[in-house]
Amino acid sequence: LAKTTQPISMDSYEGQEVNITCSHNNIATNDYITWYQQFPSQGPRFIIQGYKTKVTNEVASLFIPADRKSSTLSLPRVSLSDTAVYYCLVGDYGGSQGNLIFGKGTKLSVKP
Amino acid sequence: GAVVSQHPSWVICKSGTSVKIECRSLDFQATTMFWYRQFPKQSLMLMATSNEGSKATYEQGVEKDKFLINHASLTLSTLTVTSAHPEDSSFYICSASGTATEAFFGQGTRLTVV
Repeated sequence: LAKTTQPISMDSYEGQEVNITCSHNNIATNDYITWYQQFPSQGPRFIIQGYKTKVTNEVASLFIPADRKSSTLSLPRVSLSDTAVYYCLVGDYGGSQGNLIFGKGTKLSVKP
Repeated sequence: GAVVSQHPSWVICKSGTSVKIECRSLDFQATTMFWYRQFPKQSLMLMATSNEGSKATYEQGVEKDKFLINHASLTLSTLTVTSAHPEDSSFYICSASGTATEAFFGQGTRLTVV
């Protein structure tokens, strides 16, 4: 099982771009990289998923280098409501053929 | 994204009683479901993985006789905490995965044992 390492916490201000990097040195060939957001007392919410290069959706971008040993979640122009814990997960097809193991996550605090 | 519904959202029970938590995938067939436990200010800890029609696979240290998991259909999995004690008080979260490459999470259940 690929383990992930993220910064424990990050601070930002409203309107800034936030980049959270995750290390996953032991990622397997079939593994996808998925990021989730969690607010207190709620279940994690899917943000974005990628396999390689760059993926962009309406809320975030995910950058994955060629060796896939790390990934960077980019949140453009954050707001106070983006204050949450962000988790990077690595697994095969979202876990249908494996386990979804959570690391410690990154607690993002957005200040006015 | 797909919807996973968890019920109840919160429950308070007396020590020694059993509590059942339901997890339903509302708009897709969940071949695999995961159950997690989360203590305050900590990450999610995987308790067990279940595939429809099969026995659940429990993580090391999780008592299978205490945390009974049933995944009888492609849209429903249940977690029963038997003979609950105050130390079982926690936030329990389910996740479901089907043919898509990502898993979707329920809203969680806050269990308080008094």
